[in-house]
Amino acid sequence: DAGITQSPRHKVTETGTPVTLRCHQTENHRYMYWYRQDPGHGLRLIHYSYGVKDTDKGEVSDGYSVSRSKTEDFLLTLESATSSQTSVYFCAISAATSGGGETQYFGPGTRLLVL
Amino acid sequence: QQQVKQSPQSLIVQKGGISIINCAYENTAFDYFPWYQQFPGKGPALLIAIRPDVSEKKEGRFTISFNKSAKQFSLHIMDSQPGDSATYFCAARVNEKLTFGTGTRLTIIP
Repeated sequence: DAGITQSPRHKVTETGTPVTLRCHQTENHRYMYWYRQDPGHGLRLIHYSYGVKDTDKGEVSDGYSVSRSKTEDFLLTLESATSSQTSVYFCAISAATSGGGETQYFGPGTRLLVL
Repeated sequence: QQQVKQSPQSLIVQKGGISIINCAYENTAFDYFPWYQQFPGKGPALLIAIRPDVSEKKEGRFTISFNKSAKQFSLHIMDSQPGDSATYFCAARVNEKLTFGTGTRLTIIP
């Protein structure tokens, strides 16, 4: 599982409230990613980080912000949650594969319901 | 803009048969093509991956076929088993970012 944990694993919140999801890794990987997964859309990149305090937007970044103050933690914040942000959120890290390449490994996911 | 197109959306295969999932891409800058397997309630897990300078890669019952000129790649699962029932995603990488296909739900029936 590449040493990735996500918290919380499940959350129910109300429209307009702020929500922060946490991704924690134990293996000092440089790159970290946040995705959302929705039926019919696969996985879509929200934001990613290439180092402490270094972040950039993905294809669906509107309504989301991120922070990375330590190598091991990557936080995703929904400033004011909307029902369209109901989704499953996955964190990933980039790491070497056994075949000599490098690709992404995913955490267990956070299921978020915005009422 | 969807840069990786995956088909079919769902697939039912008999046990022991061959499962084939196809993906096509547009961006010639993609430099790595992984496949992920996802079971319900779990995160996607890397299954097998290929570089564009290789036409085929095999790991056990799983094979990726890659056609660079056609900008297509496919996953073949030989001797499909009920335990292979899952959702499969193809992906393509450029600049340390992955673009995913929309997924194929594979069901293996006895």
